[in-house]
Amino acid sequence: QVTLKESGPALVKPTQTLTLTCTISGFSLSTTGMRVSWIRQPPGKALEWLARIDWDDDKFYKTSLETRLTIAKDTSKNQVLLKMTNMDPVDTATYYCARTSHRGDSVFPFDYWGQGTLVTVSS
Amino acid sequence: ETVLTQSPGTLSLSPGERATLSCRASQSVTSSYLAWFQQKPGQAPRLLIYGASSRATGIPDRFSGGGSGTDFTLTISRLEPEDFAVYYCQQHGNSYTFGQGTKLEIK
Repeated sequence: QVTLKESGPALVKPTQTLTLTCTISGFSLSTTGMRVSWIRQPPGKALEWLARIDWDDDKFYKTSLETRLTIAKDTSKNQVLLKMTNMDPVDTATYYCARTSHRGDSVFPFDYWGQGTLVTVSS
Repeated sequence: ETVLTQSPGTLSLSPGERATLSCRASQSVTSSYLAWFQQKPGQAPRLLIYGASSRATGIPDRFSGGGSGTDFTLTISRLEPEDFAVYYCQQHGNSYTFGQGTKLEIK
């Protein structure tokens, strides 16, 4: 059974650094073709992709945010971490981690999601 | 960045009716890289369609996707009460972007 679960602080202050953890089970990020992304959703708004890390440790970031983002994985702990620096109230959102998998030539984008964690940025 | 524009913003229909949702891309999207998601209040999105027209595991056959290039559609042939939700299109051929969503509400 594939599951992902986000954890991290519910409240951060402006200018602080946010660190979120995605704990995965039911699959391994060392398996060829596996990818985990972070996606966020401000209250009442649309989804926004932030970053991705692949089984081979390739990393990709949303261009407009890449100076603030760092994604990393700890395969031994089955965890994917996201750091976002210089947090601002506009970064208030539910943050999700989601898996992308491949089978043959087919790509299954975000086929499993965590439940999400709401992060509020406020002094 | 490829911008995805969904229409309409809100669609009001009754159970049993047919729903057609549109997604237009600012530049051509390879069909293999176009997906649709359903999101209900308080829940994470759920993958419905990948590769523009393939249903994800467990998705009923009343959901179908089509289109190519810059114009894609999600059709729900006969609405069930549980289908009323927000729907997002998403492309992953040029980084990743989502549309702004279409809210499907009960009329």
